[in-house]
Amino acid sequence: AQKITQTQPGMFVQEKEAVTLDCTYDTSDPSYGLFWYKQPSSGEMIFLIYQGSYDQQNATEGRYSLNFQKARKSANLVISASQLGDSAMYFCAMRRDMGYGNKLVFGAGTILRVKS
Amino acid sequence: DAMVIQNPRYQVTQFGKPVTLSCSQTLNHNVMYWYQQKSSQAPKLLFHYYDKDFNNEADTPDNFQSRRPNTSFCFLDIRSPGLGDAAMYLCATSNRQATDTQYFGPGTRLTVL
Repeated sequence: AQKITQTQPGMFVQEKEAVTLDCTYDTSDPSYGLFWYKQPSSGEMIFLIYQGSYDQQNATEGRYSLNFQKARKSANLVISASQLGDSAMYFCAMRRDMGYGNKLVFGAGTILRVKS
Repeated sequence: DAMVIQNPRYQVTQFGKPVTLSCSQTLNHNVMYWYQQKSSQAPKLLFHYYDKDFNNEADTPDNFQSRRPNTSFCFLDIRSPGLGDAAMYLCATSNRQATDTQYFGPGTRLTVL
């Protein structure tokens, strides 16, 4: 069975500093994908970044980068130059192929608070 | 802009009174998903459609039904809402490829009185 673990219930970061949100996963599938989503208090789940298990390089999207360590089964999200608008819940998720589309298995989430 | 739209954003219903939540998309995606997210928890998949093929999760209560009349629209029907059904309901869409990203709508927050 697939499982996502986010061990940090809450994190604080000073504005303009970098922060790392931890995510470890467990799967026996050789092919898998890992996603990070941001959920502000308004409720919408916003896609941030994706890493495929066979991707050679770590994914980056603007201020977001994914520190993918396959042997350690970790996929940590790094947010550089934090902004007040980054305050939100962050979910790590793994896709499980269903043959058509995919099923996302979510971690418990980490609440990030950016301080000014 | 292509997007996923959910209406209404907030829905209040009475215990046992049927309610329907709506989702529409302009992304032309084959797959549409409904998730339930209770307070301080991760989203939980209820069911999904691949085109018109309906796929129910094994632990989704019978109280929850869904309809997809066309590619653009998908509805979540709760036949007899209980207090435990109060939650955020999120609709998402993706293409058929397993690697494709799911894009979420803004959600409908359901209150049951």
